Amino acid sequence: DVKVTQSSRYLVKRTGEKVFLECVQDMDHENMFWYRQDPGLGLRLIYFSYDVKMKEKGDIPEGYSVSREKKERFSLILESASTNQTSMYLCASSPRGGKRLVNLYNEQFFGPGTRLTVL
Amino acid sequence: QKEVEQNSGPLSVPEGAIASLNCTYSDRVSQSFFWYRQYSGKSPELIMSIYSNGDKEDGRFTAQLNKASQYVSLLIRDSQPSDSATYLCAVDYSGGGADGLTFGKGTHLIIQP
Repeated sequence: DVKVTQSSRYLVKRTGEKVFLECVQDMDHENMFWYRQDPGLGLRLIYFSYDVKMKEKGDIPEGYSVSREKKERFSLILESASTNQTSMYLCASSPRGGKRLVNLYNEQFFGPGTRLTVL
Repeated sequence: QKEVEQNSGPLSVPEGAIASLNCTYSDRVSQSFFWYRQYSGKSPELIMSIYSNGDKEDGRFTAQLNKASQYVSLLIRDSQPSDSATYLCAVDYSGGGADGLTFGKGTHLIIQP
């Protein structure tokens, strides 16, 4: 079974702190994604990566950065946390990879999520 | 703009009946379509994927795809209280690339015992 893990289920931080959210997948997936989910707004893509050291902005990258130094690990960084970044953060991975490869199947598998509260 | 539309619900269905969840999408290029189930406070779980026109069955779940009408649906037969959840429709607008999926906002399903 695909397993995607996230470093924390719940996290409370203060405004201005630097926050690291870690995601690890154990299935050798090329693609990894970070979403946030808010009531009424659904899932919104923050950043994604299709290879080690590669990253692409999603729909709402402002205030976030990412790091992918190893294939299995994708980190989301909040450089200076703000209250409007209070949210559920979801990491996902996909078994198909390569931006130039055309694949029909693009299933994503999610980690358990991190509920972040910024005070 | 690439969109995925779902009725937010709640959709209330009696136990044992068929629950029908619908989703429309905006781009005919889309190749891959997915249904996720999300329980309150939990992360989305992939339950069905469909790539070709027609029906795909897996246990009590049937996904239906009509590319001409840009419409995908999920049927849940013999609905159980444990099926109560939010169901997310997702579409791959990247043509199989690595750009991720576009998700609808979900339909909240309630199965009444």
